[in-house]
Amino acid sequence: GQQVMQIPQYQHVQEGEDFTTYCNSSTTLSNIQWYKQRPGGHPVFLIQLVKSGEVKKQKRLTFQFGEAKKNSSLHITATQTTDVGTYFCAGDNYGQNFVFGPGTRLSVLP
Amino acid sequence: DAMVIQNPRYQVTQFGKPVTLSCSQTLNHNVMYWYQQKSSQAPKLLFHYYDKDFNNEADTPDNFQSRRPNTSFCFLDIRSPGLGDAAMYLCATSRDHHRTGDEQFFGPGTRLTVL
Repeated sequence: GQQVMQIPQYQHVQEGEDFTTYCNSSTTLSNIQWYKQRPGGHPVFLIQLVKSGEVKKQKRLTFQFGEAKKNSSLHITATQTTDVGTYFCAGDNYGQNFVFGPGTRLSVLP
Repeated sequence: DAMVIQNPRYQVTQFGKPVTLSCSQTLNHNVMYWYQQKSSQAPKLLFHYYDKDFNNEADTPDNFQSRRPNTSFCFLDIRSPGLGDAAMYLCATSRDHHRTGDEQFFGPGTRLTVL
């Protein structure tokens, strides 16, 4: 079955440093979504990527979808304490499966 | 203003005693999902409804059942909870099927404890 991996599992950064999390799927994806879950909260949708090689930006966040549609990344520029949480990618393989990656837990030290 | 509502927020049950968790939505979305999330793990999709069509994930235990009596409500029934079923149960909705990449809106979750 489809497997989705994320690295790193944990990341501790100083406020102002950049952060990147990588997502890799064992199968080609029809689309990938990114969610953020704050401690004690529920997942909140950030973005959807559909096209091969797609890049989308939301303020300090940059999302990329690989050319082969099997990997993706989320990059945060100049992290802030409000960025703390777990970032999940979630991939769909053409309606057969929808799987969340294990997540990257981000800590930001002030 | 709440869009996806889950009740109760906390549920305690005994080993083997059936329990029902509920979810309602004010978004009029076609799709409703149930996820299980254990501590420090990713949400795991159990099943979803596209309108009245039920879609079970292949590895969802038979112990878990779901009902969707109308567009707004969806229920998760755990017939004989085991200690391993203790988790946060998240309900989510989307306008269209996940194959389209449509945004999913999550409820606050119900934390289930099994004694």
